[in-house]
Parts: sequence; C-alpha cells; structure tokens
Amino acid sequence: AQSVTQLGSHVSVSEGALVLLRCNYSSSVPPYLFWYVQYPNQGLQLLLKYTSAATLVKGINGFEAEFKKSETSFHLTKPSAHMSDAAEYFCAVSSLMDTGRRALTFGSGTRLQVQP
Amino acid sequence: DTEVTQTPKHLVMGMTNKKSLKCEQHMGHRAMYWYKQKAKKPPELMFVYSYEKLSINESVPSRFSPECPNSSLLNLHLHALQPEDSALYLCASSQRGKNSPLHFGNGTRLTVT
Repeated sequence: AQSVTQLGSHVSVSEGALVLLRCNYSSSVPPYLFWYVQYPNQGLQLLLKYTSAATLVKGINGFEAEFKKSETSFHLTKPSAHMSDAAEYFCAVSSLMDTGRRALTFGSGTRLQVQP
Repeated sequence: DTEVTQTPKHLVMGMTNKKSLKCEQHMGHRAMYWYKQKAKKPPELMFVYSYEKLSINESVPSRFSPECPNSSLLNLHLHALQPEDSALYLCASSQRGKNSPLHFGNGTRLTVT
C-alpha cells in the first residue's frame, strides 16, 4: 500500500509568517494526495487535493500545495499564518488495499501552533 | 457545518454494555467509512462499505460490528468493549473514484469504563 510521511510532528510559527508543512509520499505510480485539517474536537476537513491537472494546487483558507515528482513531495504552504490556522494537519494518500479497494491512509500529522 | 452527521457526540459505556454509533449523509455518496482515532494519532481505517456492501474490514475485532442499512446510513454496533477502545470514531463518505476526497463527520467521542 502507498504511504505518506510527514516530517515534523510540531511546527510553530509567528502570526503573519510563512507556514510550511512537509509531506513525502512513497509511490512508483501517480499518487492521489490530499491535505486535511482537524480542529480540536472536530472531524477532518479537506483543504485540497492533487488532481494531476496542475502541480500547484490551491485550497481553502489560503493554503496551497506543490506536487514535486522529483522530490516525491507534496508540501503544504500558506504565505501568512493566522491564529485561526492553529490545528492538526494530515497529509493523506488514496491507497489500494489488499482487497483491491481504495481507502485513505494518513500521515502521522503535524500540529501547527501560531504565536501572536 | 458538516454534511456527515454523527450521533451521539459523546458516549460513555461500560465493558458489558451494548451501544451503537450512527452516521448519516445525504450527498448521494455510495462509499462510507469508519475510522478510529486515538489521541494525538492519525485516523486508522476500520471498515469500508461500497454500495451498502462491506468491502474492507481492516482486521477489526468482532466486538465492533458495522451495518449499512441503506445508502445514507451507517451504524457501528459496540459490544463488550475494552478501555483501550476509547477513542474518537469518525464516519466518512465519498463518491466512487480514485481521486474522490472523503467527507468526515465530527465524530463520536467514546469512553469505555
């Protein structure tokens, strides 16, 4: 099954600073990649997904991610952090399971803290 | 607001109790999922239903019993759980397709005493 690795379990930035959350995938075929955000005591909300139509993907709340095949990466960025961005972020890949069906497999998550 | 509704939001049950978690979506999605999420961990897949048929069971213990009565509803029946089963249980739905994102509910916070 395909997998994703998120580098850095915690990232802390100042309000207004660049946000960079790292995700690398393991795949020899084109992966189907997603970024989700989880606020405390809530479910997961889709930020964006890679569709192969464009390497730079724009999502909600000012986030974007760039697919780099040469680096097997799909890092999430935002030019200017807001306090409301503090949350847990998960990179995910649509994996082919042993049954031949697909399901999402998540990275370990990165907790983003935004300092005033 | 989420388009996938889960009830109850919180559940406390003893190890001898029988309870059920419920999930409902009206987006016309034909794939529905149960994930389990422990504190500070990513969600882990438990079950997948496709067109109301169980298509993936990730070696989940039999004390968890899923049910998909129709295309809009998904249940998770719980019996004889252990304290280590305490977690956030997330329901999700999606359209068919390799690139279809999952839409998640807000989860049920389960505590087993």
